[in-house]
Amino acid sequence: EDQVTQSPEALRLQEGESSSLNCSYTVSGLRGLFWYRQDPGKGPEFLFTLYSAGEEKEKERLKATLTKKESFLHITAPKPEDSATYLCAVQATGGSYIPTFGRGTSLIVHP
Amino acid sequence: KAGVTQTPRYLIKTRGQQVTLSCSPISGHRSVSWYQQTPGQGLQFLFEYFSETQRNKGNFPGRFSGRQFSNSRSEMNVSTLELGDSALYLCASRSGDNNEKLFFGSGTQLSVL
Repeated sequence: EDQVTQSPEALRLQEGESSSLNCSYTVSGLRGLFWYRQDPGKGPEFLFTLYSAGEEKEKERLKATLTKKESFLHITAPKPEDSATYLCAVQATGGSYIPTFGRGTSLIVHP
Repeated sequence: KAGVTQTPRYLIKTRGQQVTLSCSPISGHRSVSWYQQTPGQGLQFLFEYFSETQRNKGNFPGRFSGRQFSNSRSEMNVSTLELGDSALYLCASRSGDNNEKLFFGSGTQLSVL
């Protein structure tokens, strides 16, 4: 069974204080790993897809990296508007295309 | 291009009642998935419809059902509501098998009293 564990559950940062969110996964074969951002009262919004170990993707202050067992979402010099819940999901090879989601990391950035 | 639209936005029901939620996917998207989101369990997959056929199903009891119409709009029904069914129900669409990216609606917040 595919499993996704995200840590920490919650993270409080000061504006400008860089940090990383972790997503550990167990899957028979990885087809893709996804990062989503979810604001309160809204549905998740797609950020990145990573396909193979060593791959990196960047968007503004966010950078996602992937190894064979985990993914990191690095947040550089965060701003209050980066406050949100960040969700990680994995999609396995073969079978359905249904991703398995982690429970997310709630990030609060204080000004 | 309009995003995924879910109605209603909020719903309050009592135990034993039934409820129907609606989802209109992005134009051209044929796959619609439904998820239940709670603070304790996170995002749990309910089912996926593709071209009016249920293609995948999660581990939820038979009280949870759905359907998809020819215009790709989808409905989800929960019968005999229980207190534990209180959750945010999210609908997501994607264009096809080779496009894994999901586009989510804002959800329907269901409260069961």
